[in-house]
Amino acid sequence: SAVISQKPSRDICQRGTSLTIQCQVDSQVTMMFWYRQQPGQSLTLIATANQGSEATYESGFVIDKFPISRPNLTFSTLTVSNMSPEDSSIYLCSVGTSGTGELFFGEGSRLTVL
Amino acid sequence: GNSVTQMEGPVTLSEEAFLTINCTYTATGYPSLFWYVQYPGEGLQLLLKATKADDKGSNKGFEATYRKETTSFHLEKGSVQVSDSAVYFCALREAGGKLIFGQGTELSVKP
Repeated sequence: SAVISQKPSRDICQRGTSLTIQCQVDSQVTMMFWYRQQPGQSLTLIATANQGSEATYESGFVIDKFPISRPNLTFSTLTVSNMSPEDSSIYLCSVGTSGTGELFFGEGSRLTVL
Repeated sequence: GNSVTQMEGPVTLSEEAFLTINCTYTATGYPSLFWYVQYPGEGLQLLLKATKADDKGSNKGFEATYRKETTSFHLEKGSVQVSDSAVYFCALREAGGKLIFGQGTELSVKP
């Protein structure tokens, strides 16, 4: 298993601003992903965070809106840029180890955009 | 592409009732399948998994069997408790390790 720490746990932001969410893992992991969970909805994959290279984005998500960094095997950041109320969601970092298949999730970062 | 479909909620049961939450999937090949649970105000936790056809995953009294013939992975529990009230997500694993989730099913258990 892996212990995942996300910061901030929650924040209230103003329209038009940007916020960076940090994800720290207690061990080196090969796979790291960022998900979004809109209120009352399921989890939607934003992107795969690739160590040392550009993230791979899912359909409907673009780098200009959600830039991602992954400088090493234990850390990643997701920035939500130029926020609007529609970006109010829980953003979750998840990691996987190649052996077992499941993903482990952080507690999430709950963003409210006014 | 791959997808997961769950029965719609919310599901409301009395304590000690039998629970079934239906999950079916569409996928190429035979992906690993998972059930995750999200308790109120908490993050997502793995409940159980199955990695190949006919596997049965089990945990905390919950069970699910990987049925390739019906492309299903239904979640069952013989006797639910109030503490089982949560949102349950069915998911499949795609190549590259990412998970595709169903829409989630909210379970409410009344004493």
